[in-house]
Amino acid sequence: DGGITQSPKYLFRKEGQNVTLSCEQNLNHDAMYWYRQDPGQGLRLIYYSQIVNDFQKGDIAEGYSVSREKKESFPLTVTSAQKNPTAFYLCASSRQNRGAGTNEKLFFGSGTQLSVL
Amino acid sequence: GQQVMQIPQYQHVQEGEDFTTYCNSSTTLSNIQWYKQRPGGHPVFLIQLVKSGEVKKQKRLTFQFGEAKKNSSLHITATQTTDVGTYFCAGPGYALNFGKGTSLLVTP
Repeated sequence: DGGITQSPKYLFRKEGQNVTLSCEQNLNHDAMYWYRQDPGQGLRLIYYSQIVNDFQKGDIAEGYSVSREKKESFPLTVTSAQKNPTAFYLCASSRQNRGAGTNEKLFFGSGTQLSVL
Repeated sequence: GQQVMQIPQYQHVQEGEDFTTYCNSSTTLSNIQWYKQRPGGHPVFLIQLVKSGEVKKQKRLTFQFGEAKKNSSLHITATQTTDVGTYFCAGPGYALNFGKGTSLLVTP
């Protein structure tokens, strides 16, 4: 069954702790994305990757880090530098965009709810 | 990326009433996408509009792209409780730029 898998569904972070959110896809998509969702704020882009071993900062990258060592995996680390990490985190993937302004549709995972203890 | 603004932020209707959400941009959009997120769920792609003045229908949902390609709308005819959720428009860029969404509540 093809799709995107995010884990865990719920995650709790202690003060000063780094936590990593997993995102795996078996859709053979080149591009992957991380969005943060806060109530009433829509989806804000954290990082995106158009191809393996390459990624770019989005609008709110501070306090986050990513890696893209494999095509199917795009883990997100929420570092201790992120002072307000409580949010719903959504990973998505798509076929490679043909150029700026020609976005392919996104397929989303079921999300991870991160809370601070 | 090209920013998009959505209104209203919330809409509460009685089942059977119509519903419309609007998406506006200060710049011309090459295309626009619409997504629906059910409560507790994740966004799901609905449609992409590309052409000026384009109108597309999916059962009770009608999507429009303005002639100037600076605005778009989603209209739902005769809402049902299954329409509950948040509807997002997204403008183009290196990655999609999402509006803040319109949350629809339908009362039976």
